Amino acid sequence: NAGVTQTPKFQVLKTGQSMTLQCAQDMNHNSMYWYRQDPGMGLRLIYYSASEGTTDKGEVPNGYNVSRLNKREFSLRLESAAPSQTSVYFCASSEVGWGSTDTQYFGPGTRLTVL
Amino acid sequence: AQTVTQSQPEMSVQEAETVTLSCTYDTSESDYYLFWYKQPPSRQMILVIRQEAYKQQNATENRFSVNFQKAAKSFSLKISDSQLGDAAMYFCAYRSYLYNNNDMRFGAGTRLTVKP
Repeated sequence: NAGVTQTPKFQVLKTGQSMTLQCAQDMNHNSMYWYRQDPGMGLRLIYYSASEGTTDKGEVPNGYNVSRLNKREFSLRLESAAPSQTSVYFCASSEVGWGSTDTQYFGPGTRLTVL
Repeated sequence: AQTVTQSQPEMSVQEAETVTLSCTYDTSESDYYLFWYKQPPSRQMILVIRQEAYKQQNATENRFSVNFQKAAKSFSLKISDSQLGDAAMYFCAYRSYLYNNNDMRFGAGTRLTVKP
């Protein structure tokens, strides 16, 4: 039982390059999330997916796209990376709904640097 | 939108002693969840403790306990018998109880140092 896994762990991009961050969970959770963490700030929600086939914008969605490929996988894409997107990215999953614990389980994070 | 404030950027505690981390939040909702997460140098976010707002009893988890003051919108974390492994960033977080609201708001974090 691996929980939430993310790839890659580290990435360096040049401005304008594109890349996809991968996330997978094996806890059969319906909901998945992408956050970014910047120095001196807490995590901020980029996008989330309440269930397979649905995605919604969070607090800071500009410059990102997401795909909920299936129940297990939720990817984050940067189409044209900018230095402002240098950050640590976390994927999380949870079971949401009446009677659930609604606790989010986080992956280990991806440190992205955009030059 | 809900906001979460952690007013202590850094805290320090002697090993085996007790420390309290502060958190306040702003909301107009009556039902919600509150969380404390720990982030060690490995960057992994680890759930420490969770509190449902409709429960009057403060949550406890071994050496960790909270002081939840709903009227004051305060949610502090007390760590008893501090251990070297408790050194980490601690984040307070708020989530609405509404089924269709998946937005979790985090505070900026408190860096806890444990001195041997």
